[in-house]
Amino acid sequence: QVQLKESGPGLVAPSQSLSITCTVSGFSLTSYDISWIRQPPGKGLEWLGVIWTGGGTNYNSAFMSRLSISKDNSKSQVFLKMNSLQTDDTAIYYCVRSSSYDAMDYWGQGTSVTVSS
Amino acid sequence: DIVMSQSPSSLAVSVGEKVTMSCKSSQSLLYSSNQKNYLAWYQQKPGQSPKLLIYWASTRESGVPDRFTGSGSGTDFTLTISSVKAEDLAVYYCQQYYSYPFTFGSGTKLEIK
Repeated sequence: QVQLKESGPGLVAPSQSLSITCTVSGFSLTSYDISWIRQPPGKGLEWLGVIWTGGGTNYNSAFMSRLSISKDNSKSQVFLKMNSLQTDDTAIYYCVRSSSYDAMDYWGQGTSVTVSS
Repeated sequence: DIVMSQSPSSLAVSVGEKVTMSCKSSQSLLYSSNQKNYLAWYQQKPGQSPKLLIYWASTRESGVPDRFTGSGSGTDFTLTISSVKAEDLAVYYCQQYYSYPFTFGSGTKLEIK
């Protein structure tokens, strides 16, 4: 069955970088786009960016200067890297699959990231 | 960026009641070449990841109960729950996937009286 699972550091110090890995199963990264979405505690959903089947990317301009998304198709892994984290980057980070009809049909469980010294 | 606005921000209903919530976009989500509205609805229950309910504004995702109905076109959309169940306690988000960056509404929190 389709699964996405994020793994992250949990705690990041201010000004440091964040790296999260999304490992997928049940489908190929060469067939589906993957987005990263985050949700601050008690707040709504914010789309960060997408990596397309061919490896191209599109980023939310609010994060473009410090966000990078990449993938390794052979390992079924997608990577998020965000630099210069601040306390307002504290959130649950989700990796999400886009369906063939472009809506987001499968979500990972999310990984909680706290930015604190 | 396309701005998505949802109302109300919260509502409380009794089991069995009908619920309607609104989502408006700052520009049309209707793609002229295929006449599809690039609008989705998600349900997020407490402590869970969001779940896709509706895509193309009115198509129910597989397995979604038929008490959930999406409607609307262009810039105005509605999610209706025909007869609320206790398990429908959740926050409901609309999202446009017409253009990047994808954007979400701020959500409607459904509470059960």
